[in-house]
Amino acid sequence: QSALTQPPSASGSPGQSVTISCTGISSDVGGYNSVSWYQQHPGKAPKLIIYDVSKRPSGVPDRFSGSKSGNTASLTVSAVQADDEADYYCNSYASSNNWLFGGGTKLTVL
Amino acid sequence: QVQLVQSGAEVKKTGASVKVSCKASGYTFTSNQMHWVRQAPGQGLEWMGWINPSSADTKYAQKFQGRVSMTRDLSPATVYMELTSLRSDDTAMYYCARRYSFGYDYWGQGTLVTVSP
Repeated sequence: QSALTQPPSASGSPGQSVTISCTGISSDVGGYNSVSWYQQHPGKAPKLIIYDVSKRPSGVPDRFSGSKSGNTASLTVSAVQADDEADYYCNSYASSNNWLFGGGTKLTVL
Repeated sequence: QVQLVQSGAEVKKTGASVKVSCKASGYTFTSNQMHWVRQAPGQGLEWMGWINPSSADTKYAQKFQGRVSMTRDLSPATVYMELTSLRSDDTAMYYCARRYSFGYDYWGQGTLVTVSP
């Protein structure tokens, strides 16, 4: 199974919205409402920011939102802040009890 | 509070094996799958597999089949990931992560495994 496809980079100025895509196929992203998103700052463990496609864990700002259409899931960061600069990874269930990560997207705040 | 505490960094020779532990506390250990994820230096996250602490059932990514084994002890509440026949490209940070619904809500601090010739 191949990794989910994410753009290597994304950027936005403070206050702007940025959307990161995560593309799979019908047997992973498209087949289940099982996409999650993680934020990872350098030298730190990943942090869950979206699960079940669009749910936010407690403590995660509502500036972070998730959605899915067909085989593509999206993470939107509204009103980007300097501290949002990090790597972002998507993850999806991929049938037969397998799971897949995306390749990661480096978000730069300009 | 939920905590996942992993064992310390390891340096291994090519061909050797490594066993990483992940001690869980602050929740009912048998209620959530535990997954293992690795990250090579400068690279992305890679899913390795999971163990159900209740039944000890496991599922491994095809890439690691035959080289990885995930086990658990109920007391203390600890999961283990053993990787054999180590190669240089197994050098990575290894994380345990608790599955919650369709997501991983708690992560260990990571264990750096370095494989040298």
